[in-house]
Amino acid sequence: SQTIHQWPATLVQPVGSPLSLECTVEGTSNPNLYWYRQAAGRGLQLLFYSVGIGQISSEVPQNLSASRPQDRQFILSSKKLLLSDSGFYLCAWFFGSARNTEAFFGQGTRLTVV
Amino acid sequence: DAKTTQPPSMDCAEGRAANLPCNHSTISGNEYVYWYRQIHSQGPQYIIHGLKNNETNEMASLIITEDRKSSTLILPHATLRDTAVYYCIVRVSGNTGKLIFGQGTTLQVKP
Repeated sequence: SQTIHQWPATLVQPVGSPLSLECTVEGTSNPNLYWYRQAAGRGLQLLFYSVGIGQISSEVPQNLSASRPQDRQFILSSKKLLLSDSGFYLCAWFFGSARNTEAFFGQGTRLTVV
Repeated sequence: DAKTTQPPSMDCAEGRAANLPCNHSTISGNEYVYWYRQIHSQGPQYIIHGLKNNETNEMASLIITEDRKSSTLILPHATLRDTAVYYCIVRVSGNTGKLIFGQGTTLQVKP
């Protein structure tokens, strides 16, 4: 069965520090992978998506970057965190066909930048 | 930008049907309508999706108008555990498979 792992669950980082959040999926190959962010009291904002190794598309300009070093691994990074980077980060897998029945979301990482 | 519009909030009495509307007037012929919900501090959960026919599963029913410009998610017997933010999403066509979430509807089920 397909599963998606995301860690850590919570993270408190000082302003200016680097960030690395990792997401891995199991039970599928060549998945489309996504990073979303949810600021407090706000909706889900798509940050990045990837249709394959080394292929990253950015949805909004920001202080973050993403990488896809392996087929089932998706990493969200920052060189220097800002206070505005605080939020709930979710990794998701969604097969690239509209007929697929669902997307799988990780449990999320709650990032607090202090 | 999201291609759907939903009311920001709704209330429903426990045990009654909850009917959540969604407008997607610019939907293309090959785009599906998906519904997800998000319970506080968790990842979104898939509920149901459809193209043009009405759909039903163990969680909900999806009614899509004939012109496909709007749809309604129906939770037949709402429980307190159905309190969540409900997102109506039009699936972007093509290989990218993006899910663009709007602001959703916060459904409050009351005893």
